[in-house]
Amino acid sequence: EAGVTQSPTHLIKTRGQQVTLRCSPISGHTSVYWYQQALGLGLQFLLWYDEGEERNRGNFPPRFSGRQFPNYSSELNVNALELEDSALYLCASSAGTSGANEQFFGPGTRLTVL
Amino acid sequence: AQSVTQLDSQVPVFEEAPVELRCNYSSSVSVYLFWYVQYPNQGLQLLLKYLSGSTLVKGINGFEAEFNKSQTSFHLRKPSVHISDTAEYFCAVRSGGSNYKLTFGKGTLLTVNP
Repeated sequence: EAGVTQSPTHLIKTRGQQVTLRCSPISGHTSVYWYQQALGLGLQFLLWYDEGEERNRGNFPPRFSGRQFPNYSSELNVNALELEDSALYLCASSAGTSGANEQFFGPGTRLTVL
Repeated sequence: AQSVTQLDSQVPVFEEAPVELRCNYSSSVSVYLFWYVQYPNQGLQLLLKYLSGSTLVKGINGFEAEFNKSQTSFHLRKPSVHISDTAEYFCAVRSGGSNYKLTFGKGTLLTVNP
């Protein structure tokens, strides 16, 4: 069974540009979560989607947004990139919305903003 | 609000020595607790989880953790480490309510030396 996949693996952008990151959850999983892992800041929760709806949002500005498609895959969009957006962006998926459901993580997308 | 404190940012040990990685949490509601491992340039892999029941939880790769509600701790242990255990370890908490995001500690870098 395929795990969570993310694309691209690496990305280099300049300040002010926009970027789209993609995530495909494990087959049968309806929930997708996005996390940012920035140097020195640890793992921070960004967004949670379930059944196509945004269920929760972390403490990030509105230029971070996303969506979930009918096939449960998801995109994370970041507008007006800033240097501090440089980070590893991790996507996770889980089956359903029970609090006990394990989140399975993808390998991440490394974003560098110059 | 919930939070996680990993008391040691780095733990160096020699091969075959025992190790304990410490984790304390705070939450106003019942919690689910997790330990994840991150190898270099990879995503997160679940080591073990506490949902309910026995306070001693056994995970993969010989790791175990003990949930202590009175001390709000969930320390990770392994009786004998290998070089291949060198990685970053993250403790995470999720509340039992309707907010399914994971709150992570800042991580502990375990370095196993020969």
